[in-house]
Amino acid sequence: ETGVTQSPTHLIKTRGQQVTLRCSSQSGHNTVSWYQQALGQGPQFIFQYYREEENGRGNFPPRFSGLQFPNYSSELNVNALELDDSALYLCASSLAAGQGYSPLHFGNGTRLTVT
Amino acid sequence: QKEVEQDPGPLSVPEGAIVSLNCTYSNSAFQYFMWYRQYSRKGPELLMYTYSSGNKEDGRFTAQVDKSSKYISLFIRDSQPSDSATYLCAMSAGNQFYFGTGTSLTVIP
Repeated sequence: ETGVTQSPTHLIKTRGQQVTLRCSSQSGHNTVSWYQQALGQGPQFIFQYYREEENGRGNFPPRFSGLQFPNYSSELNVNALELDDSALYLCASSLAAGQGYSPLHFGNGTRLTVT
Repeated sequence: QKEVEQDPGPLSVPEGAIVSLNCTYSNSAFQYFMWYRQYSRKGPELLMYTYSSGNKEDGRFTAQVDKSSKYISLFIRDSQPSDSATYLCAMSAGNQFYFGTGTSLTVIP
């Protein structure tokens, strides 16, 4: 069973730039969720993708956007980066709600630093 | 008020001790309850998950849920230095999971 993989592991960007983070879901999972984890905090829900469409969104501005591909992999895009966007970005895969209970399975994250 | 409250610690115990980690929550719609372990510079790793009130045991770990009090616990028996990590509680009612801030645990040999 292949777990969740994320790339890159680390990234340094300048305020105002754009960034794309990538995620491959665990085999057998069809849903991908993205979470932001600031230092010393728990993960915060950004959004979830199912069947290539956004299926729920947390309290994040529109400059956070995503994609899901037919093979269930996903991208998180952040435009106009701000200093507060510095965090660990976690991708998690699961089965869709209604397909049996499925907890989140996380990758090791991408550490984004905005200077 | 936060959806999920968790004492951040830090918690330091001697090897072999019983550890008790707790979370409270405010949303009575939460149906699923999980505990994750997160080592430094790694993603959260699922330890336990449960749906109903009551206890669930897996090896040295026991998860306890009391829906009437909106309170969940994780007990670690015979704690080991390898248990040193941050423990996150999480809960959900649908596709969004809500996490506590995490409790930092150190088990001293």
